Amino acid sequence: GQNIDQPTEMTATEGAIVQINCTYQTSGFNGLFWYQQHAGEAPTFLSYNVLDGLEEKGRFSSFLSRSKGYSYLLLKELQMKDSASYLCAVPRSWGKLQFGAGTQVVVTP
Amino acid sequence: EAGVTQFPSHSVIEKGQTVTLRCDPISGHDNLYWYRRVMGKEIKFLLHFVKESKQDESGMPNNRFLAERTGGTYSTLKVQPAELEDSGVYFCASSQGNGETQYFGPGTRLLVL
Repeated sequence: GQNIDQPTEMTATEGAIVQINCTYQTSGFNGLFWYQQHAGEAPTFLSYNVLDGLEEKGRFSSFLSRSKGYSYLLLKELQMKDSASYLCAVPRSWGKLQFGAGTQVVVTP
Repeated sequence: EAGVTQFPSHSVIEKGQTVTLRCDPISGHDNLYWYRRVMGKEIKFLLHFVKESKQDESGMPNNRFLAERTGGTYSTLKVQPAELEDSGVYFCASSQGNGETQYFGPGTRLLVL
């Protein structure tokens, strides 16, 4: 199969840094998306990586290594509002997204 | 600009009944996708419209599910008759071009009793 794997849950304190890893099968790769989803709300777009390297967007950064089938989302200066599920997704044929199960990030005071 | 909207936000029905979910994509977005998340599982693709045409319906579970997008604007997803395993959150997403960023609606939470 073409699994997308990410950790189930991560806990960190306010102000800290958390790195969420995502691994995927590389065949037919067309880039990788990260979405944030608060409970009961819509997944919201965070980033899209198609080339290797790190892309920074404020407190959030996303990294991609195509040869290794690996990405991570880095959350810096954690705030309580960052408590959410973070979804890694790979576009497959015709653009349909294949999602990982999501990583629940819990930020504690 | 309004985002993707879905109606209803919640639906509770009995096994065997029919339910119709509606999605209004972002204006001007030709691509419309339906996804579903069942309890404890990842979000999974159901189908993809380009304007009013079904581009890919490989994720539809069975023929109890029928999706339409008449006129290429809003879309409906009908489940008839509903079964217990259809319970979950149904998300709609839209994008301007194929392969571009998809913007999601808040989902419809369906519970079949």
